[in-house]
Amino acid sequence: IAGITQAPTSQILAAGRRMTLRCTQDMRHNAMYWYRQDLGLGLRLIHYSNTAGTTGKGEVPDGYSVSRANTDDFPLTLASAVPSQTSVYFCASSDFGHYTFGSGTRLTVV
Amino acid sequence: LAKTTQPISMDSYEGQEVNITCSHNNIATNDYITWYQQFPSQGPRFIIQGYKTKVTNEVASLFIPADRKSSTLSLPRVSLSDTAVYYCLVRRGGADGLTFGKGTHLIIQP
Repeated sequence: IAGITQAPTSQILAAGRRMTLRCTQDMRHNAMYWYRQDLGLGLRLIHYSNTAGTTGKGEVPDGYSVSRANTDDFPLTLASAVPSQTSVYFCASSDFGHYTFGSGTRLTVV
Repeated sequence: LAKTTQPISMDSYEGQEVNITCSHNNIATNDYITWYQQFPSQGPRFIIQGYKTKVTNEVASLFIPADRKSSTLSLPRVSLSDTAVYYCLVRRGGADGLTFGKGTHLIIQP
């Protein structure tokens, strides 16, 4: 089934550790995104990429980095995790304004 | 982007029609109105999108008045499985991501 695959589905991470959340799409969409969702809140955009080789900062980019080496993959890296980065992370892609989201990665930083 | 305002929560019963109204007073000429649905532990899922007048698909209808300062998502004959958070978003052409508010938590009772 075409869509977004995120890994891992959940992770408990010690503060200060480095972590990469993986995201792969098989729809050949040019644009991809990373959001975080905290309890009771809507999604907030972390970083985005309009096409392979380009990235941009969203609303809450601090502490996160992304890369877009090819169309299908858009990994999100936390260089040194902090407890405030405990959240559910969603990857998405879009084509002509229609966004498809993954099932999320639940990250707990302790 | 235009800010959206929608009720925080709504209740209804199985078999009823549910209408969720969203206001977006500062919508721009090239903005589209789009609605997403999110179940617990899942990513948002596209429901419907429109620019003006009425749009209908297999799951919902979207009513947009001529001034486009509000929109109403209509869910016909809801069931328990329609319990979810519904987000109203204003989307501009381009690929810079969606801006989410807190959404409307719809609870359907038997």
